[in-house]
Amino acid sequence: QSALTQPASVSGSPGQSISISCTGSSSDIGTYDYVSWYQQLPGKGPTLIIYEVSRRTSGISHRFSGSKSANTASLTISGLQPEDEGDYYCSSYTTSTPFDVVFGGGTKLSVL
Amino acid sequence: DGQLVESGGKLVQPGGSLRLSCVVSQFSVYINYMAWVRQPPGKGLEWVAVFYSGDRTFYGESVKGRFTISRDTSKNTVFLQMNGLRVEDTAMYYCARVSDFLFDPWGQGTLVTVSS
Repeated sequence: QSALTQPASVSGSPGQSISISCTGSSSDIGTYDYVSWYQQLPGKGPTLIIYEVSRRTSGISHRFSGSKSANTASLTISGLQPEDEGDYYCSSYTTSTPFDVVFGGGTKLSVL
Repeated sequence: DGQLVESGGKLVQPGGSLRLSCVVSQFSVYINYMAWVRQPPGKGLEWVAVFYSGDRTFYGESVKGRFTISRDTSKNTVFLQMNGLRVEDTAMYYCARVSDFLFDPWGQGTLVTVSS
């Protein structure tokens, strides 16, 4: 079901900035601004952190930001902290599935 | 924001049945759209069943005909009836509210293991 492509893993040192890409198509990211990002910390359920491409949910640090260009969305985390380590998933509205949402395969962020 | 608590997951044999429950507080399952999303061990997220606008339901291709999503508004609870379970249905199952093509909030999950 994963129609959005994410890198399997990214890593960075504390204080650095990293970006996670999420590549789709003109059926989803390329046309619609309903891109969301979820954070899943070890042993926990997912939490929505970014919606509508770049809007942060309440309580989410300004270190997290989202953007989009053509068919690719990106999540950027600046000032990386050890507690950011976990899995990150993107999702998008799509016209390709019966229900209009598709997830990416997830990216494991390691803070070295 | 709302709290969701899933239950009902356990070890079941292939071909068996199971019903998962999701008790919701602080918002109504009657006026909100709800979904079940699963995550196989070490893998990504997959929506499996969605209760949407006008009582429409959607099912992932891998569970269509075997799983049924329903709700009891008097108990503010959403259910997932799973029949004909397969080994590949082994996963953590999460309940979540659906709004504007996003899932928020989520529960803590309940683990379903299908094995002989």
